[in-house]
Amino acid sequence: GNSVTQMEGPVTLSEEAFLTINCTYTATGYPSLFWYVQYPGEGLQLLLKATKADDKGSNKGFEATYRKETTSFHLEKGSVQVSDSAVYFCALTGTGGFKTIFGAGTRLFVKA
Amino acid sequence: NAGVTQTPKFQVLKTGQSMTLQCAQDMNHNSMYWYRQDPGMGLRLIYYSASEGTTDKGEVPNGYNVSRLNKREFSLRLESAAPSQTSVYFCASSERTSGTYNEQFFGPGTRLTVL
Repeated sequence: GNSVTQMEGPVTLSEEAFLTINCTYTATGYPSLFWYVQYPGEGLQLLLKATKADDKGSNKGFEATYRKETTSFHLEKGSVQVSDSAVYFCALTGTGGFKTIFGAGTRLFVKA
Repeated sequence: NAGVTQTPKFQVLKTGQSMTLQCAQDMNHNSMYWYRQDPGMGLRLIYYSASEGTTDKGEVPNGYNVSRLNKREFSLRLESAAPSQTSVYFCASSERTSGTYNEQFFGPGTRLTVL
């Protein structure tokens, strides 16, 4: 079945550091891939998405590229801010259904 | 637009009590979902409704029932609450357009404690 694996946290960075959160997936066909962010006490919200191979999703300085050859969708940001502290979830929605599979989440702490 | 709304925001139950979590969306989405979120376990799908009039079990349906009341509303019922159901519950909705699987929109969550 479909699955998503993302790096365990927590990840602790200083402000303006470079961020990478790794995400790999297993799926048949051509899934859509997503990164969601959850701020404390809130629900998840979409950060970015990519629906086909080689697509790059981007939002708020975050980027991720859909790599079918490596089945990866790593999240990157060049310079993190304290306000980026949150939990980040990688997710996929596979062909043939509406269900979305979420990774376990990676907690990011950014220190001033 | 309010998006996805959930009530209540917080609830404390005693073991064996019942309750219904309410969810509504105003985006005219066909699909709706109930998840639970536990520390270190990400989100687990309890039930989903691909369209009005249909419901299906997700990964962890035991101890829960759902009702898709109409296109807007999707409720989750705990008939006899157990401490293992202490969790944060999220409702979500989504739509599929032109073969593309769109993102899910989440409510703010219900924090449930079962004593």
